[in-house]
Amino acid sequence: DIPMTQFPSSVSASVGDRVTMTCRTTQDIGTRLGWYQQKPGSAPKLLIYAGSTLQSGVPSRFSAGGSGTVFTLTIASLQPEDFATYFCQQAHRFPLTFGGGTRVEIK
Amino acid sequence: EVQLLESGGDLVQPGRSLRLSCAASGFAFSTYGMGWVRQAPGKGLEWVSVITGSGTSTFYGDSVKGRFTMSRDNSKNTVYLQMNGLRAEDTATYYCAKVTKVGASWFEDWGQGTLVIVSS
Repeated sequence: DIPMTQFPSSVSASVGDRVTMTCRTTQDIGTRLGWYQQKPGSAPKLLIYAGSTLQSGVPSRFSAGGSGTVFTLTIASLQPEDFATYFCQQAHRFPLTFGGGTRVEIK
Repeated sequence: EVQLLESGGDLVQPGRSLRLSCAASGFAFSTYGMGWVRQAPGKGLEWVSVITGSGTSTFYGDSVKGRFTMSRDNSKNTVYLQMNGLRAEDTATYYCAKVTKVGASWFEDWGQGTLVIVSS
């Protein structure tokens, strides 16, 4: 298995802030990483795949990067609708694994 | 518009079986891999299974391997998850999801989920 570690586990931020979160693996997964956003009571939504490719319809304030074992997701200017939990997921090999999530809370 | 509608979630006793269904519409179903992802109450996401578009290959997470079986009926645009030997730790919302076609298994569309509670 490829364990995925996300940090911080939570972050408090204000509207307009720049927020960055990290996902780390123990094995080189190239750029086979995706990011999801999940709001309470709703299903996850794919934001980013292949390390840095924005899914169709996702606002450009979201960006991501990294390769190998360290990846980041950045929200350039936090909007009210961005308060949610974000999960990373590796698709390098089965079993697919998710990170524990980073919760973005209102300061 | 892609729609994924799960059904079959229920309260079930430990050791019993349950079958979940996911009816899909709005896309060329047989050309996409499909998956199940679950989320225990208040917890993170856990991948359960993936099946290829043709149904010839399936993959499972370690915690369900040997107990759960994923299948699909392309004539009905439906995937299934047969869950046997259920345990308390299988309690979760089960999401059906459509796999991306970009050479790796990310989940680009999700259903609303169906709740499975395993308890005596």
